[in-house]
Amino acid sequence: GAVVSQHPSWVICKSGTSVKIECRSLDFQATTMFWYRQFPKQSLMLMATSNEGSKATYEQGVEKDKFLINHASLTLSTLTVTSAHPEDSSFYICSARRTEGTEAFFGQGTRLTVV
Amino acid sequence: AQKVTQAQTEISVVEKEDVTLDCVYETRDTTYYLFWYKQPPSGELVFLIRRNSFDEQNEISGRYSWNFQKSTSSFNFTITASQVVDSAVYFCALSEAGANNLFFGTGTRLTVIP
Repeated sequence: GAVVSQHPSWVICKSGTSVKIECRSLDFQATTMFWYRQFPKQSLMLMATSNEGSKATYEQGVEKDKFLINHASLTLSTLTVTSAHPEDSSFYICSARRTEGTEAFFGQGTRLTVV
Repeated sequence: AQKVTQAQTEISVVEKEDVTLDCVYETRDTTYYLFWYKQPPSGELVFLIRRNSFDEQNEISGRYSWNFQKSTSSFNFTITASQVVDSAVYFCALSEAGANNLFFGTGTRLTVIP
């Protein structure tokens, strides 16, 4: 299957700082990338959908000013958690797909811990 | 509205037993796609299968098989002769035509006991 690389795998940051997470599709061009959040022993909750060159579409209840998403190219999307707080601690996963209806491939995930 | 239900929260089986993971979905669209993903303890989601709504043919891949039945809106996943490495959380997901995202079920945690 296609490869999606997410970096970093884990990060610990102080409360109030910002953290950037990168998601790269390594061997295909991704027209759409998705960002999910997963709490322990729970399902994946979609945060936002981003298409290359356009603004991300955020799900209801997700603060766009807090979770900044940039999809600058067909192979890279970034999620920046701004002014992180302990309640932002979670597992963040990105996924990418070529076109609608095709399978999405997931990154390794990033475990964020805010202290 | 779309919905995916995985009623089994956790399942434990002894190695070499067969196990079926249930998935029931709801959608108003006639064109949609169904998926299964595996999430091992490492956290990464591994794609297992995609099925579109017009293809009800069941599929077998090694020890894995999938039973898609539109009449009951189910897309069940069977692992034959389970192995310890099959221990993971398995997610069923639905994507409607024209929609961007995958909608995930709550997942089934499978534990295979040696």
